[in-house]
Amino acid sequence: DTGVSQDPRHKITKRGQNVTFRCDPISEHNRLYWYRQTLGQGPEFLTYFQNEAQLEKSRLLSDRFSAERPKGSFSTLEIQRTEQGDSAMYLCASSFGILTGNTIYFGEGSWLTVV
Amino acid sequence: AQTVTQSQPEMSVQEAETVTLSCTYDTSESDYYLFWYKQPPSRQMILVIRQEAYKQQNATENRFSVNFQKAAKSFSLKISDSQLGDAAMYFCAYRNTGNQFYFGTGTSLTVIP
Repeated sequence: DTGVSQDPRHKITKRGQNVTFRCDPISEHNRLYWYRQTLGQGPEFLTYFQNEAQLEKSRLLSDRFSAERPKGSFSTLEIQRTEQGDSAMYLCASSFGILTGNTIYFGEGSWLTVV
Repeated sequence: AQTVTQSQPEMSVQEAETVTLSCTYDTSESDYYLFWYKQPPSRQMILVIRQEAYKQQNATENRFSVNFQKAAKSFSLKISDSQLGDAAMYFCAYRNTGNQFYFGTGTSLTVIP
């Protein structure tokens, strides 16, 4: 069990550029979540996959955000035309329902700074 | 929509003493799960303890225990014999039947040597 892996850990980008984050969940976990966290706040739900199906998207996820999970394994979160307000840590988490005690396990996060 | 409230932005405790972190939540569901997660300065969130709403017995994990009051929608975390390594942000979380997790705004715990 190598844990949830996220890449890159840190990204600095200029406003208007596109960025993509990758998440590799714990092997065989069928559920994958993306959250956004800003300093001093708790994680805010962005989207959720069960296998390759994107089951839910938050209203926080504007049209500039898109997430995919091809083949139900790793996932990518892309932010197009980044804005300074997108600066945050993007957390990925995974679970296997009752087999993991209905608990989600987090990666170390990807820090995004938009300048 | 479910909401999770942590009313204590910051707490401090002397090493070896006991501290209780508060959490309340709002839901109309009867079947759900509650969690406490810890986020040390390294930033990775790790599970501290979880509680199934259908279980009346409070969960315990070593020095960590909860006081789950379902009717009051309260879910506090007690840390006994506090250690320096317990210093972190603590987040209360609620999982609904749709597998959605909702987090509170966190409590920053300082452990004083």
